[in-house]
Amino acid sequence: GESVGLHLPTLSVQEGDNSIINCAYSNSASDYFIWYKQESGKGPQFIIDIRSNMDKRQGQRVTVLLNKTVKHLSLQIAATQPGDSAVYFCAENRGSNYKLTFGKGTLLTVNP
Amino acid sequence: NAGVTQTPKFQVLKTGQSMTLQCAQDMNHNSMYWYRQDPGMGLRLIYYSASEGTTDKGEVPNGYNVSRLNKREFSLRLESAAPSQTSVYFCASCITGGTEAFFGQGTRLTVV
Repeated sequence: GESVGLHLPTLSVQEGDNSIINCAYSNSASDYFIWYKQESGKGPQFIIDIRSNMDKRQGQRVTVLLNKTVKHLSLQIAATQPGDSAVYFCAENRGSNYKLTFGKGTLLTVNP
Repeated sequence: NAGVTQTPKFQVLKTGQSMTLQCAQDMNHNSMYWYRQDPGMGLRLIYYSASEGTTDKGEVPNGYNVSRLNKREFSLRLESAAPSQTSVYFCASCITGGTEAFFGQGTRLTVV
């Protein structure tokens, strides 16, 4: 039968460069926006979150920016390393019902 | 401390067969989730449980049932498997209202 290909957005960067991964969201009622990383064959892992009343949050080598005006979220990875190669998902936590929903993901490939 | 444990890791079913995917967490989390992951579709929420004794439908609940057996365990049942249910299934858990969900290693299910 016909196989279904992988149609994720992709980003390819050189080792040492900065990476920016983008995500658009539609629900303005979310309390938190979150980034997860999924390596091949594994479950997703939490990277960083940002509360909906903030516009920037920094972690170790990562920065998340939230633009509520255009409903846009981005993840910036500084000095990208080969170990950063993975699929990155944005997710939303919708408050009182604790529903955690994910976007479709972006495949990041880091070239040595 | 095992985190989130899913069984089995792999399963092949014939159309119409039933099976239960097991999930257990040892982190004393209230919230638990079942997702399916298909190529290019990201993670889609099937069912979730905000606390012991409660369950709610996610985006794609049709064809599935769940049981929150106790605080630790959240099982997913396919009563009559269909080829469209071929996917990788992930269980996750989280503190109440939290953003850092912990995922199991996944169950790769093929329905022929």
